[in-house]
Amino acid sequence: GENVEQHPSTLSVQEGDSAVIKCTYSDSASNYFPWYKQELGKRPQLIIDIRSNVGEKKDQRIAVTLNKTAKHFSLHITETQPEDSAVYFCAAGDGNNRLAFGKGNQVVVIP
Amino acid sequence: GAGVSQSPSNKVTEKGKDVELRCDPISGHTALYWYRQSLGQGLEFLIYFQGNSAPDKSGLPSDRFSAERTGGSVSTLTIQRTQQEDSAVYLCASSLNRDNSPLHFGNGTRLTVT
Repeated sequence: GENVEQHPSTLSVQEGDSAVIKCTYSDSASNYFPWYKQELGKRPQLIIDIRSNVGEKKDQRIAVTLNKTAKHFSLHITETQPEDSAVYFCAAGDGNNRLAFGKGNQVVVIP
Repeated sequence: GAGVSQSPSNKVTEKGKDVELRCDPISGHTALYWYRQSLGQGLEFLIYFQGNSAPDKSGLPSDRFSAERTGGSVSTLTIQRTQQEDSAVYLCASSLNRDNSPLHFGNGTRLTVT
């Protein structure tokens, strides 16, 4: 089955700087790559997703890039703010509505 | 509108007892998932229901775990003879019956086995 890995496991950034989280996946059939944000004690919520026919997608301060050849995709957060502090999960899906999640990345924005 | 609702929000049980966790998906969502999240860990897939199709049970960790979805709506996850390693947050999510539609998660049930 699909195996998704996230790096680094923890990331600390100064407020205003950019944060980048990278995920790799194993199944070349995967074609859907969402990112979920989970604040402390809350439910995971979708923040952005990308499909395999697109190389990059942007929504305000967040963007996701996909490299299908290398089987990796990344989340980019620009001008980080304290409310960006959370655990971010990447996932990969094959179109059958079953997602494989990474272990999560703790992002800490230092004011 | 109403989101995914899970109950109870917290459950403390003694080792060896059975527990039932409930999930009410968003109305109209035909896909329903159960995930387990241990402390500091990722989201571990347990089981997936899609409409009237046979569920994908490939993620259930042992035969002590089972789940039902009645009438294509409410789902119950049952853990029999609970063990301490079952302690985790159990998250339910639902989505539309559409290719790669986003998952909407509930707040989860925090299970503690003493």
